[in-house]
Amino acid sequence: DTGVSQDPRHKITKRGQNVTFRCDPISEHNRLYWYRQTLGQGPEFLTYFQNEAQLEKSRLLSDRFSAERPKGSFSTLEIQRTEQGDSAMYLCASSLSGTNEKLFFGSGTQLSVL
Amino acid sequence: DAKTTQPPSMDCAEGRAANLPCNHSTISGNEYVYWYRQIHSQGPQYIIHGLKNNETNEMASLIITEDRKSSTLILPHATLRDTAVYYCIVRGATSGTYKYIFGTGTRLKVLA
Repeated sequence: DTGVSQDPRHKITKRGQNVTFRCDPISEHNRLYWYRQTLGQGPEFLTYFQNEAQLEKSRLLSDRFSAERPKGSFSTLEIQRTEQGDSAMYLCASSLSGTNEKLFFGSGTQLSVL
Repeated sequence: DAKTTQPPSMDCAEGRAANLPCNHSTISGNEYVYWYRQIHSQGPQYIIHGLKNNETNEMASLIITEDRKSSTLILPHATLRDTAVYYCIVRGATSGTYKYIFGTGTRLKVLA
């Protein structure tokens, strides 16, 4: 079990630039979640996939955000035209669906928008 | 919005039991109670979950009241490494979604 891997760990970008983050889930997990976390707050749900299908997307997510999970394996989260308010920790988690579902989180990507 | 209420912070002496309460008065019959914790700079870590029976694993015990409107996470012998933010989450398909909604959690500080 190699765990959930996220890349990069840190990203500094200028306002208006596009950024893309990658998440590699635990290999047999069919669900993948993206969360965003700012200082002092709990993780905020962004979206989740079951296999390659994006089943839910937060209404808080603007159309500058897009996520994909081609072939139901790794996932990417892209933010276009970044704003300073996008600065946060972006967390990915994966799980195996079922009544005993447990989320396994990666260490996150810390985004700083200057 | 999170369906749970937790105290914002608690202290516990090292070696003593830490009892973290959670209120979930609007829980539905098919919703589970989950506990996760987050140590600084890391992603949240699963601790335990339950439906209506008490549960125990190598990390903790979960006590759910008979009416299921509240629960307590018990760390039997807290260590300094248990200092973290603890999140109580209610999750199920009642609202047509399986997403986990985190609140602001309880910041537990274990004191030497």
